[in-house]
Amino acid sequence: AQTVTQSQPEMSVQEAETVTLSCTYDTSENNYYLFWYKQPPSRQMILVIRQEAYKQQNATENRFSVNFQKAAKSFSLKISDSQLGDTAMYFCAFTGGGNKLTFGTGTQLKVEL
Amino acid sequence: DVKVTQSSRYLVKRTGEKVFLECVQDMDHENMFWYRQDPGLGLRLIYFSYDVKMKEKGDIPEGYSVSREKKERFSLILESASTNQTSMYLCASSTIRRGMNTEAFFGQGTRLTVV
Repeated sequence: AQTVTQSQPEMSVQEAETVTLSCTYDTSENNYYLFWYKQPPSRQMILVIRQEAYKQQNATENRFSVNFQKAAKSFSLKISDSQLGDTAMYFCAFTGGGNKLTFGTGTQLKVEL
Repeated sequence: DVKVTQSSRYLVKRTGEKVFLECVQDMDHENMFWYRQDPGLGLRLIYFSYDVKMKEKGDIPEGYSVSREKKERFSLILESASTNQTSMYLCASSTIRRGMNTEAFFGQGTRLTVV
């Protein structure tokens, strides 16, 4: 069974600083996708970034980047130049060959002035 | 843009009532999902469907059933609502690429309160 673990329930960062959110996962599959989603107070889940396991290059989307370590089964999210609008719950998610999409328990990020 | 629409944003139901949560997607996605979101527990998968009339149990299917009669619509049914089913319910859809799910697109969520 695939599992996703986020060990940081809450984090805070000062505006304009950089923060890294951790995620580890467990799977026996060789090819899969990993995602980071953001859920602001509006409750709408928004895709932040996606990584395909067979791609060695880490994905980047503007201020968001990942550190994908396949052997260690680690998938962390780095947010650079943090903004107040980045305040949200962040979820790490995994999908492999079985159509199932599994989420972690989330990290509540607060960006402070 | 992909749109996933859930029929209600807020619902209040009585214990023992049969409850229907409806979800519609407009992108011809093969897969549809129902999740339950509770503080500290993240998103837990209730059921998912990979085709019309096809369904698979997720991690917490007890007390729930689903129906997918048309590709665009996926319904979650609480046969006899109980107070421990008070929660946020999220519907999502995704397509298939290289034999795997792609990213899921979510509805706005339904906050269900059972009294």
